[in-house]
Amino acid sequence: KQEVTQIPAALSVPEGENLVLNCSFTDSAIYNLQWFRQDPGKGLTSLLLIQSSQREQTSGRLNASLDKSSGRSTLYIAASQPGDSATYLCAVPLAYNTDKLIFGTGTRLQVFP
Amino acid sequence: ETGVTQTPRHLVMGMTNKKSLKCEQHLGHNAMYWYKQSAKKPLELMFVYNFKEQTENNSVPSRFSPECPNSSHLFLHLHTLQPEDSALYLCASSPSLKTGFQPQHFGDGTRLSIL
Repeated sequence: KQEVTQIPAALSVPEGENLVLNCSFTDSAIYNLQWFRQDPGKGLTSLLLIQSSQREQTSGRLNASLDKSSGRSTLYIAASQPGDSATYLCAVPLAYNTDKLIFGTGTRLQVFP
Repeated sequence: ETGVTQTPRHLVMGMTNKKSLKCEQHLGHNAMYWYKQSAKKPLELMFVYNFKEQTENNSVPSRFSPECPNSSHLFLHLHTLQPEDSALYLCASSPSLKTGFQPQHFGDGTRLSIL
């Protein structure tokens, strides 16, 4: 059974710091991994989707890496800003070749000025 | 604008009431999903529809009844709910069930409170 874990559960940092959020999964037979952002009282916004054949994906100040063999993914946020404050969730498919997702519990990030 | 619209945004109901949640997407997607998000728990997949056919019922109690009349609309009918059903209910869509290359698009959810 696939399980997804995210650490830390919460993180509070001053503006400008570079951050690393961690996601681990128990079954390495995945074909993609997604990172989402959730603002309070809102739905999820997709940030990055990494295919199993890829090692990383980048979008602006965000970089996500994937190491299937070790069951880990990291989301790197460069030069953090107060607007980055949100909960970050990672998710992997329930089984191979399906878009039914299993989510981690998320990392709640606060970036203060 | 997410492309996935959920109504109502907030709902307070008693345990004996019957209400419905609505989800509408204008993205041309064929797969739609209901998720439940409770405090301090991961998002839980509830139901999945692909081309209007239900393909997943993740052991959801029968007091939750989904309906998908077409690929653009998804409903969640609620009756005789329990206090533990209070949560944020999120709807999502994707091009189809097995793309693997396109992320799911989420609505902003309905915050449900059971009195």
